[in-house]
Amino acid sequence: EDQVTQSPEALRLQEGESSSLNCSYTVSGLRGLFWYRQDPGKGPEFLFTLYSAGEEKEKERLKATLTKKESFLHITAPKPEDSATYLCAVQADSNYQLIWGAGTKLIIKP
Amino acid sequence: DSGVTQTPKHLITATGQRVTLRCSPRSGDLSVYWYQQSLDQGLQFLIQYYNGEERAKGNILERFSAQQFPDLHSELNLSSLELGDSALYFCASSPGGGNEQFFGPGTRLTVL
Repeated sequence: EDQVTQSPEALRLQEGESSSLNCSYTVSGLRGLFWYRQDPGKGPEFLFTLYSAGEEKEKERLKATLTKKESFLHITAPKPEDSATYLCAVQADSNYQLIWGAGTKLIIKP
Repeated sequence: DSGVTQTPKHLITATGQRVTLRCSPRSGDLSVYWYQQSLDQGLQFLIQYYNGEERAKGNILERFSAQQFPDLHSELNLSSLELGDSALYFCASSPGGGNEQFFGPGTRLTVL
C-alpha cells in the first residue's frame, strides 16, 4: 500500500538552530515528491518538487533532498516566520492522486 | 497568491442544509482538486476533475458531489449536512494531472 510518513509530528527550535524534517514513503513507483508549507487556516503553499534520487532544491533557508526511500527538508538558521506546518506528498506512477503525509508542525522561538 | 480563488471564505449553516462551494483555477490549469481538512487533521482528497471530466475519486461521501464547468471553474455541493462536515475545504489546480498542485485560500464551513 502506498504510504507517506512524516517525522517528527512537531519540532520546536530556537531561532538560528538548524534542523531537518523527514518524509519517508512507500510507493510502487515514484512520479514525484512535493513539499508544501501551510500556515494556520490557510491553503498549502507549494515549495518544491523532486523527481529522482539525488535531486536537491533550495529556496531561501530551505533545502529539500530526495533518496529512494525518503526526503528531507533541511532548514538552516530558521527565523520565527518559518513557523508553519510542512506537508509532504508523493505521486505514484500508477495514478495522479497525491498521497499526503500528516505534516510536521515547526515552531521557531525568537 | 496562488491564483486559485474560492468563494465564499466562510459559510455557516445548519444541519440538514445544502451548500455550494465555488473554485476558479489558475489561468490555463485544466485540473481541479477538492480537499477536506478538519481541525488539526490532514488533507483528505475528495475528487479530481480534468477538463470537465471526473478523473479520480477519494474519500468523498455520497452526500457530496462536484462538477467542473466548460469555463473550468468547479463547484462542490454538500447536502444533508452534519456537524462532522464542519471543516476547511480547499480547492487546488494544476496544468494537467501529474504536476504540482496550487491551492486556494479555502472555504471554512461551520455546521451548527
